Amino acid sequence: GIQVEQSPPDLILQEGANSTLRCNFSDSVNNLQWFHQNPWGQLINLFYIPSGTKQNGRLSATTVATERYSLLYISSSQTTDSGVYFCAVDYSWGKLQFGAGTQVVVTP
Amino acid sequence: GAGVSQSPSNKVTEKGKDVELRCDPISGHTALYWYRQSLGQGLEFLIYFQGNSAPDKSGLPSDRFSAERTGGSVSTLTIQRTQQEDSAVYLCASSLDGGPPGQYFGPGTRLTVT
Repeated sequence: GIQVEQSPPDLILQEGANSTLRCNFSDSVNNLQWFHQNPWGQLINLFYIPSGTKQNGRLSATTVATERYSLLYISSSQTTDSGVYFCAVDYSWGKLQFGAGTQVVVTP
Repeated sequence: GAGVSQSPSNKVTEKGKDVELRCDPISGHTALYWYRQSLGQGLEFLIYFQGNSAPDKSGLPSDRFSAERTGGSVSTLTIQRTQQEDSAVYLCASSLDGGPPGQYFGPGTRLTVT
């Protein structure tokens, strides 16, 4: 099956810092989503981004489908950005294969 | 509008008992998915419903697991003869038609099998 690898596994940031999270996938995909799982366990849909670049406030994402990777940028991080960020790829008719996630801790 | 809702939020059951978990998708979403999240296995796909088509059950881990979707809306995931390894958070998601803007998740049901 398709492999989805995220890096780094853990990230500690000081408030105000910028960071980049990476997602590599092993095969062609129909689409890719980024999610934020907050400390209460809720998965929040950040981006639907099969290719190209999108921005939403302090977050932006870029997917280069031909090279099988996606990047999530967090700028001017805030403590509310803490949680786990998941990359998930649609590999077959809407079924998502998730990566293991990047645990982000933003300290005041 | 209202998001995906799931009930119960927590369920503790004894090994060997049957459990039913419920999911109410976002109104108008034709696609509905079940996933589970456990410490050892991460987030895993279980089953996928799209409109009136036969469900894709390829992710169900054993025949103790089944799901149905009534009237193209509410879905119930049933686990028979629960085992301790079934303990996990069961997540439901829905999407407009399987395409953009992607899947939206409910808050999950935390299942503990004692």
